[in-house]
Amino acid sequence: QKEVEQNSGPLSVPEGAIASLNCTYSDRGSQSFFWYRQYSGKSPELIMSIYSNGDKEDGRFTAQLNKASQYVSLLIRDSQPSDSATYLCAVNKIRDDKIIFGKGTRLHILP
Amino acid sequence: GAGVSQSPRYKVAKRGQDVALRCDPISGHVSLFWYQQALGQGPEFLTYFQNEAQLDKSGLPSDRFFAERPEGSVSTLKIQRTQQEDSAVYLCASSSRLAGVIQETQYFGPGTRLLVL
Repeated sequence: QKEVEQNSGPLSVPEGAIASLNCTYSDRGSQSFFWYRQYSGKSPELIMSIYSNGDKEDGRFTAQLNKASQYVSLLIRDSQPSDSATYLCAVNKIRDDKIIFGKGTRLHILP
Repeated sequence: GAGVSQSPRYKVAKRGQDVALRCDPISGHVSLFWYQQALGQGPEFLTYFQNEAQLDKSGLPSDRFFAERPEGSVSTLKIQRTQQEDSAVYLCASSSRLAGVIQETQYFGPGTRLLVL
């Protein structure tokens, strides 16, 4: 079982709709959770971080964390064509400095 | 301010050749990470430095891979006797994180795209 699992997609969402991206992780000792966006041929860019259960909102983005279910999600409201990218879920464990990434979900916003 | 820079941006190597990839982290960042990203995959952790100390090298795939950061700033990832399976993008990231502090943002460089023929 991979430590961080994501559906590779592609996930196609109409422009203006809500895109929902999901991620599960295997290690209950994970303490920090991240969503990175990666455009084709570019390096990952952090868009959200979340550390405690519940929701965290930043503009059109909402990260949701459920540690009991070992589940992290990212919602993108009012999806724009510029949101088309690969979204990487990443987790960090207590007293461990490295970040473990999932394979990423390709998101395609249909104009 | 300047971000993380990496050089070269592209490298083509013949199988068996040695290569050296350079990373210049953000000034003052104590932590530096190397990742390997194969096509269609997420970044895979290779190794981590805090200042000049290499605290974790558990992700290095073989003893052909070696990393150093002798003065706690610039880092070099060296791959000896390159193989075709080493073809990937090598990403460097830095953060201001100190050990024991909740994870700080890692800022990624543009990567070095390595192709081994």
